[in-house]
Amino acid sequence: KNEVEQSPQNLTAQEGEFITINCSYSVGISALHWLQQHPGGGIVSLFMLSSGKKKHGRLIATINIQEKHSSLHITASHPRDSAVYICAVCMYRQGNLIFGKGTKLSVKP
Amino acid sequence: DTGVSQDPRHKITKRGQNVTFRCDPISEHNRLYWYRQTLGQGPEFLTYFQNEAQLEKSRLLSDRFSAERPKGSFSTLEIQHTEQGDSAMYLCASSLYTFEAFFGQGTRLTVV
Repeated sequence: KNEVEQSPQNLTAQEGEFITINCSYSVGISALHWLQQHPGGGIVSLFMLSSGKKKHGRLIATINIQEKHSSLHITASHPRDSAVYICAVCMYRQGNLIFGKGTKLSVKP
Repeated sequence: DTGVSQDPRHKITKRGQNVTFRCDPISEHNRLYWYRQTLGQGPEFLTYFQNEAQLEKSRLLSDRFSAERPKGSFSTLEIQHTEQGDSAMYLCASSLYTFEAFFGQGTRLTVV
């Protein structure tokens, strides 16, 4: 079993829909990252969370430390949101990240 | 642009050749990480530097791989005698604090 599990693996939505991507992890962590990767490979960090909730524009990320679960929400989705969204955790006393396999999101106009 | 910079962006090489990638981190960042991402998978940790010291290496980093960060600034990742299985995206990230991560655009390696 992977230490970081994401669901769904693939997601197709119509423009304007509310989208949720889930991430569960099985290890103690110091922080959790939500990352966005477009075709071509570059990774952009969307959020870094250690507790609670963060919001940036149409993106919202939440984390429940007790349940070892995080969600990424996209409100009013747009075709430009199409990308792979990756959850990654930073373990205590370690600097490197452990990544989920990613969720490939496609938003249709 | 003061972000993490990787060079080259793309590299095609013949099997058996050696390749070297470079990563220039954000200037004040003392931590530097290399990751490898194969198609359809999330990135996997390869190695980590704090300043010039290589503090951790993954089992994924076989003897054909070597990484250096000679002056605690830029880093190089060399793969000797490349194999087709080395084809992947090689990502570099840097940070000042343990829990941060700032990524470069990656180097896509294709071994033919």
